[in-house]
Order: sequence, then C-alpha cells, then structure tokens
Amino acid sequence: GENVEQHPSTLSVQEGDSAVIKCTYSDSASNYFPWYKQELGKRPQLIIDIRSNVGEKKDQRIAVTLNKTAKHFSLHITETQPEDSAVYFCAARDQAGTALIFGKGTTLSVSS
Amino acid sequence: KAGVTQTPRYLIKTRGQQVTLSCSPISGHRSVSWYQQTPGQGLQFLFEYFSETQRNKGNFPGRFSGRQFSNSRSEMNVSTLELGDSALYLCASSLIVQGSANYGYTFGSGTRLTVV
Repeated sequence: GENVEQHPSTLSVQEGDSAVIKCTYSDSASNYFPWYKQELGKRPQLIIDIRSNVGEKKDQRIAVTLNKTAKHFSLHITETQPEDSAVYFCAARDQAGTALIFGKGTTLSVSS
Repeated sequence: KAGVTQTPRYLIKTRGQQVTLSCSPISGHRSVSWYQQTPGQGLQFLFEYFSETQRNKGNFPGRFSGRQFSNSRSEMNVSTLELGDSALYLCASSLIVQGSANYGYTFGSGTRLTVV
C-alpha cells in the first residue's frame, strides 16, 4: 500500500524566513496530494492541495510543488509569521482512491 | 453549513471495556474516514466508508471496527480496550463527485479516548 515519508520532523525558522517541508510517496498511481495544518488542540485543516496533472500550485504565501517522476512533493511557506507555527501533515491518496495516507508531520516553529 | 461532528469529545474507559464513537459528516458528504492520532505517529488510517460500505481498512487489529448508516453517519467501535488505544480519534468526511475522490477531507474535532 501507499507509504508517505515526511521531513524534517521539526523545523525552526525566524519570522520572515522561508520554510520548506518535503514528502515522498511510494505508490506511483497516487494522484492527489493535500497538505494539512494542525494548530495545538485543534483539528487538521486543509491549506492547499495539488493534483497529479499539475506541477505547482500557489496560494498567497503558500506553494506546493510536485515531481511525479521522483515521487515527491514539497510545501513552501514564504515570509513566515508566528501564526504559521503548527504541525503540518502531507498526504497522498492511495491508488484505490479510498484512503488518504499521511506523513508523520512536521512541527514548524516561527520565532519573532 | 455544519461541519463534521464527533461525539463524545472526551472519554475515559477501563482496560477490557469497549467503546463506540460517533461521527456525523457534512451534509452531502458520503465518504467518512477514521484516523487514530498519537504523538509521534501522526494520523494513522483506520477505515473508510462510502454508501454504507467499508471500502478500505488500515493496518489495525480486528478489535477496531466501524459502520456507516444510510444517512452517512458513521460509528467506530473498539472492543477489549488496551492502554495503547489511548489516542485522539478523528473522523473526516469528503465529497465524492462522479466517482472522483480527489477532494480534501474536512476533519471533526475528534474524540479523546483515555484508557486506564
């Protein structure tokens, strides 16, 4: 089945810096890759997603890139702010289309 | 539009007991998935239901089971509870359009289960 690896597990940046989180997936048939942000004590929330027919997608300070050949995708956050501090999860839809498999998460800390 | 509702929010059970958790999806969402969240392990997939059918199951023992009703509400059950079952159990609903599952999940707030 699908397996998703996420790196790094923790990331500390200064306010205004950029942050990059990388994920690799195992199932070459996967075609949907969302990212979720989970603040302390809250539910995970979808922040951006990308489908396999697109190489890059951007939404204000957040962007996601997808390399299908290498089977990896990345989240880029520019001009980080303290409110970006949270746990970020990447995920990949399995081949059957019936399960989202998540990475183990990255704890991002943005200090001012 | 109401979000995904999970009940109860908190639960304390004793080893060996069984527990049932409930999830009401967003209106119109017919796919419901369940996840176990523990520190360091992230979100581990339990199972997915669509139109009252379990379509996928993660790598959990048979003590974990679920079902979905005709109104898309779902329940999960854990029997013979173990200390290691203590976790946040999240359900998520998703829109399925023309068979495509390529839409994001909306998560509920979860049920925090503590086994003592």
